[in-house]
Amino acid sequence: DAKTTQPPSMDCAEGRAANLPCNHSTISGNEYVYWYRQIHSQGPQYIIHGLKNNETNEMASLIITEDRKSSTLILPHATLRDTAVYYCIVSRGGNYQLIWGAGTKLIIKP
Amino acid sequence: GAVVSQHPSRVICKSGTSVKIECRSLDFQATTMFWYRQFPKQSLMLMATSNEGSKATYEQGVEKDKFLINHASLTLSTLTVTSAHPEDSSFYICSARDSSTGDLNGYTFGSGTRLTVV
Repeated sequence: DAKTTQPPSMDCAEGRAANLPCNHSTISGNEYVYWYRQIHSQGPQYIIHGLKNNETNEMASLIITEDRKSSTLILPHATLRDTAVYYCIVSRGGNYQLIWGAGTKLIIKP
Repeated sequence: GAVVSQHPSRVICKSGTSVKIECRSLDFQATTMFWYRQFPKQSLMLMATSNEGSKATYEQGVEKDKFLINHASLTLSTLTVTSAHPEDSSFYICSARDSSTGDLNGYTFGSGTRLTVV
């Protein structure tokens, strides 16, 4: 699976939109972009995934560039409970294993 | 949504003893489950892929005789850390995917097990 590059940490004010970038310049045509997050001392939580179109669900929005080499996860109104490590992973789906990078530690400040 | 239950959440054991960690898919069947290990301030590292009714597939460097995996049913996989040593102290996490809802939905993770070997 392709590797991803994320900033190690970011801050965001509570109530503002948190925009988390991810570079995946070697992504293959059949690979999807998945986002997970891990709150301290808990198991990861699936957030959203996409192929090439922008996606939105109740948790977040995912914006994928036209060349698919990068994406941005948007938490529209960040709360303190959104403080976590966010992982961007590219995968073919199915039961393919996930390759975990270091992720972005997002800190939401009051 | 899909729920994966992992027990125990915390366990302390003495060196040389064995510890069993259970991972259950509560409302779906999982032919495949994954076991991860996570050391402090590090990312998840895949240990093994657990397949129902067959032998687990271990990642390079993971001792299969030390980390015994049993996936005897479509809803239960267990990881047994045998002859535990302090260096086995870590956060162990399982995951599974509800394939009945499609091949592309995300994985569901257990809440993790904090193992401390003293």
